Amino acid sequence: EIVLTQSPGTLSLSPGERATLSCRASQTISSSYLAWYQQKPGQAPRLLFYGASRRAAGIPDRFSVSGSGTDFTLTISRLEPEDFAVYYCQQYGYSPPVSFGQGTKLEIK
Amino acid sequence: QVQLQQSGPGLVKPSQTLSLACAISGDSVSSDTASWNWIRQSPSRGLEWLGRTYYRSKWYNDYADSVIGRVTINPDTPKNQFSLHLNSVTPGDTAVYFCARDPGVSISGMVIPDAFDVWGQGTTVTVSS
Repeated sequence: EIVLTQSPGTLSLSPGERATLSCRASQTISSSYLAWYQQKPGQAPRLLFYGASRRAAGIPDRFSVSGSGTDFTLTISRLEPEDFAVYYCQQYGYSPPVSFGQGTKLEIK
Repeated sequence: QVQLQQSGPGLVKPSQTLSLACAISGDSVSSDTASWNWIRQSPSRGLEWLGRTYYRSKWYNDYADSVIGRVTINPDTPKNQFSLHLNSVTPGDTAVYFCARDPGVSISGMVIPDAFDVWGQGTTVTVSS
């Protein structure tokens, strides 16, 4: 069973700063089967990236992803006020078919 | 534009069955590439995938180990929707429940899983007497 561990649990930053969020898998997975989501209070998760770094529609280019093997990173180059939210990584295509990390809360410092 | 609209009760008594429906517009539950998923979210469990249904010449289901034996996900082709039934619920099943689409990717005749690109609005379900 693949377990995804995200760090840090909470990240406190100011608008304009750079955010680096980590997702570590318990075993090697392909980046083709890793996704990132953003979730704001009271909303469903919103897809940001999927399948080998493909950006979902409408996602600004200040968001980027990298990584391979067991270590993956979501980077937000310059934080905007609307970026403060909870971010999740997800693997799909392994066993279990789908699992999520526990999330990183990005909060305003 | 694909949309998912959830419906169902927000309060279920312990030991009873939780039933939710997810109506699909802009796609088909019988799509030969998509899969149709249920996920729940609670403070204690985070985002937890519960299972999926999909059609590849016949209907298939996959379920999470945590709920297997209690969960059923069914397609409803006339209504173009799919449903979640979780029986013998306890307060531990209290959560926000989401439906979501995996559009799938067809490559050389094989369908490869993809991320969840469309989500329902979420239904808060409380298990309480």
